[in-house]
Amino acid sequence: KAGVTQTPRYLIKTRGQQVTLSCSPISGHRSVSWYQQTPGQGLQFLFEYFSETQRNKGNFPGRFSGRQFSNSRSEMNVSTLELGDSALYLCASGEGSSYNEQFFGPGTRLTVL
Amino acid sequence: GNSVTQMEGPVTLSEEAFLTINCTYTATGYPSLFWYVQYPGEGLQLLLKATKADDKGSNKGFEATYRKETTSFHLEKGSVQVSDSAVYFCALDITNTGNQFYFGTGTSLTVIP
Repeated sequence: KAGVTQTPRYLIKTRGQQVTLSCSPISGHRSVSWYQQTPGQGLQFLFEYFSETQRNKGNFPGRFSGRQFSNSRSEMNVSTLELGDSALYLCASGEGSSYNEQFFGPGTRLTVL
Repeated sequence: GNSVTQMEGPVTLSEEAFLTINCTYTATGYPSLFWYVQYPGEGLQLLLKATKADDKGSNKGFEATYRKETTSFHLEKGSVQVSDSAVYFCALDITNTGNQFYFGTGTSLTVIP
């Protein structure tokens, strides 16, 4: 099976712009979660989508949003970018059952200038 | 709230040395516990997990036991190899409706020949 893929792998934006990141989960997986990884804050949960519905949400401002399509692919959008949004954004997919393993993609490195 | 506290790194060991990476958690319910590993230039991979108290997760010579009384999930390996050099993350999943992982800050391990 192909693993979790994320595009693009690297992105450079300026403050105030918006950005969309994409994640394709492992075939058959219906759950997609997004995480932000920074040196200062570590890995922080953004949100989880399951069957096109947001099922869990972390403590991030409304500028961070996402969606999931019928084929389970997911996109994450960040509007009005701030310097502090520079991070590695990781996507993870799973079968959707609680307490089960999540499989992580390689991440998208976002730099905000 | 829910959180994971991990031993600060970096950790440097000689090959065949004994490894312990401490992990303690705070959770509002009964979490599942995980250890993920991130090798240089790669995404996170599940190393082992335990879903209830007194469970022992094991994989590739690594072990961790879910200790409810001490709220701990310490990672151990009897004899490390150079190939074990990576960053190790302890995590918990508390929700019973999908996936919402809380990660520790990660512990960098370098094994020297």
